[in-house]
Amino acid sequence: EDQVTQSPEALRLQEGESSSLNCSYTVSGLRGLFWYRQDPGKGPEFLFTLYSAGEEKEKERLKATLTKKESFLHITAPKPEDSATYLCAVQRPGQGAQKLVFGQGTRLTINP
Amino acid sequence: EAGVAQSPRYKIIEKRQSVAFWCNPISGHATLYWYQQILGQGPKLLIQFQNNGVVDDSQLPKDRFSAERLKGVDSTLKIQPAKLEDSAVYLCASSRISGRTANYGYTFGSGTRLTVV
Repeated sequence: EDQVTQSPEALRLQEGESSSLNCSYTVSGLRGLFWYRQDPGKGPEFLFTLYSAGEEKEKERLKATLTKKESFLHITAPKPEDSATYLCAVQRPGQGAQKLVFGQGTRLTINP
Repeated sequence: EAGVAQSPRYKIIEKRQSVAFWCNPISGHATLYWYQQILGQGPKLLIQFQNNGVVDDSQLPKDRFSAERLKGVDSTLKIQPAKLEDSAVYLCASSRISGRTANYGYTFGSGTRLTVV
């Protein structure tokens, strides 16, 4: 069974303090690993898709990386507006169209 | 491009009552998903439609949950009768492509927060 575990569950940082969020996964043949951002009272918002080990993608202060067993979301010099829950999800072949299995999320708080 | 629309935003019902949620996906998106997100957890897929047909409903509690997608556009999710453990946010999402996810994942609505008392 596919499993996605995110750590830590919650993280508090000071503005400008860089850190990383972890997503460990167990899946038979990874088709894609996804990162989403979720603000309170809203649905998840797509950030990145990674397809193969060694791949990296960047968007503003965020950079996502992928290995064969885990993915990291690095946040550099965060600002208070980066506070949100960050979700990762995996997809594997043969599950019909695009079914994603999500982790429980990391709740990130950036203090000014 | 208009987003995924869901209604109502909030609903409070007593246990054993019934409730229905509505979703209007992004125009042209063939695939529609209903996810359940319990507080502090990630979303869990309940059912996936491709146009009018069901692709995956393996995690839908079929004794109390039902869903339909008429004419391959709007969808409704119903719970009857509701239990306390059904308290959650129900998220609808849609995507354009079946099969390969492309580079954008899917687009979620803001969800319906259900409280069963």
